[in-house]
Amino acid sequence: NAGVMQNPRHLVRRRGQEARLRCSPMKGHSHVYWYRQLPEEGLKFMVYLQKENIIDESGMPKERFSAEFPKEGPSILRIQQVVRGDSAAYFCASSPSQLVGGTEAFFGQGTRLTVV
Amino acid sequence: DAKTTQPNSMESNEEEPVHLPCNHSTISGTDYIHWYRQLPSQGPEYVIHGLTSNVNNRMASLAIAEDRKSSTLILHRATLRDAAVYYCILRDLGMLTFGGGTRLMVKP
Repeated sequence: NAGVMQNPRHLVRRRGQEARLRCSPMKGHSHVYWYRQLPEEGLKFMVYLQKENIIDESGMPKERFSAEFPKEGPSILRIQQVVRGDSAAYFCASSPSQLVGGTEAFFGQGTRLTVV
Repeated sequence: DAKTTQPNSMESNEEEPVHLPCNHSTISGTDYIHWYRQLPSQGPEYVIHGLTSNVNNRMASLAIAEDRKSSTLILHRATLRDAAVYYCILRDLGMLTFGGGTRLMVKP
């Protein structure tokens, strides 16, 4: 059973370009969470999605960032018109159901975005 | 979410036990105590969780105080591979909220 797969592992974009980060959850998992980790900082929650629904986007910047988790295919985190401050590691986690009490989340290896 | 307090860093010698403390004085009755760790350049990895009773698994043990206001993650024999940032997280419902964690350094 493959773990959470994120691609690409490394992504370089010039300022103003778009970045698309993909996350394939573990088999049987229908809940996906995106986190961002700025250099030398902790992980910050961005968005929680279920298939075809955004459940909680309280951590998403108001502009340029969007996320989706379609019925088929991976979850996508999209950053439009990237700026240098978007350079960070982006992690995706999945769980088989809503994270309650004792449920664990499984994380991918992350996508390291560098904006030049 | 209830807040947790952990030391910023700790050191250990290889092959020795490590006790990583976590204070959570405002824990609610339905909060589970979770521990995750993040090795360098990798995503977080689940370690262990518990509610009231002490827990053991192949990776570690979790000792929970009787009043649940603190807990301790125990690595029985630290290896170099255990060098990581360890996060203590309280959760009842919803996403995981990460604090600063404890950076564990293991000396050979």
